[in-house]
Amino acid sequence: AQSVTQLGSHVSVSEGALVLLRCNYSSSVPPYLFWYVQYPNQGLQLLLKYTTGATLVKGINGFEAEFKKSETSFHLTKPSAHMSDAAEYFCAVSYPQAAGNKLTFGGGTRVLVKP
Amino acid sequence: NAGVTQTPKFRVLKTGQSMTLLCAQDMNHEYMYWYRQDPGMGLRLIHYSVGEGTTAKGEVPDGYNVSRLKKQNFLLGLESAAPSQTSVYFCASSRFEEQYFGPGTRLTVT
Repeated sequence: AQSVTQLGSHVSVSEGALVLLRCNYSSSVPPYLFWYVQYPNQGLQLLLKYTTGATLVKGINGFEAEFKKSETSFHLTKPSAHMSDAAEYFCAVSYPQAAGNKLTFGGGTRVLVKP
Repeated sequence: NAGVTQTPKFRVLKTGQSMTLLCAQDMNHEYMYWYRQDPGMGLRLIHYSVGEGTTAKGEVPDGYNVSRLKKQNFLLGLESAAPSQTSVYFCASSRFEEQYFGPGTRLTVT
């Protein structure tokens, strides 16, 4: 069965510093890859996704992620953290061959931004 | 365009009670999903539906039932609630690979 691992359940960054959130998946078949963000007491919002094509994907709010097949990774970065980036971030995968477009999520990484 | 809505937002149940959570979407999506979110475990799929009148089990289906009588609605039922079902429940819908999420229902079972 496929799995998604997010390294670090909590990350603390200073405002203006680089944000780096790590995501690795286990699968022999390349999946579709997603990053979602959840602000307190809200649902999940899509930040960005990779399906096919260019492996560097840009999303909303200045985030980007790079799909590295050889490393089975899809790490999320933002060059300069803003206070509004404080949230929980989830990496997820789905497989186009499987019925239902089901998502498998990582455990999440909570980001704290220090002034 | 409301997107995905969930009713109720909060609920407290006693062990053994039953309840139904309602999810509605106005985007004409074929696929709908129910997830539960627990600390440190991300979201886990309970049940899903690929179209009106169809349902299928996800990763953690035990203790839950679902129905999709209308394309726009997806109901999640708990027949006999247990404390282990205390969680935040999210509904989502999709046409293609991107899923759109509702605001969640916080359920506490005492």
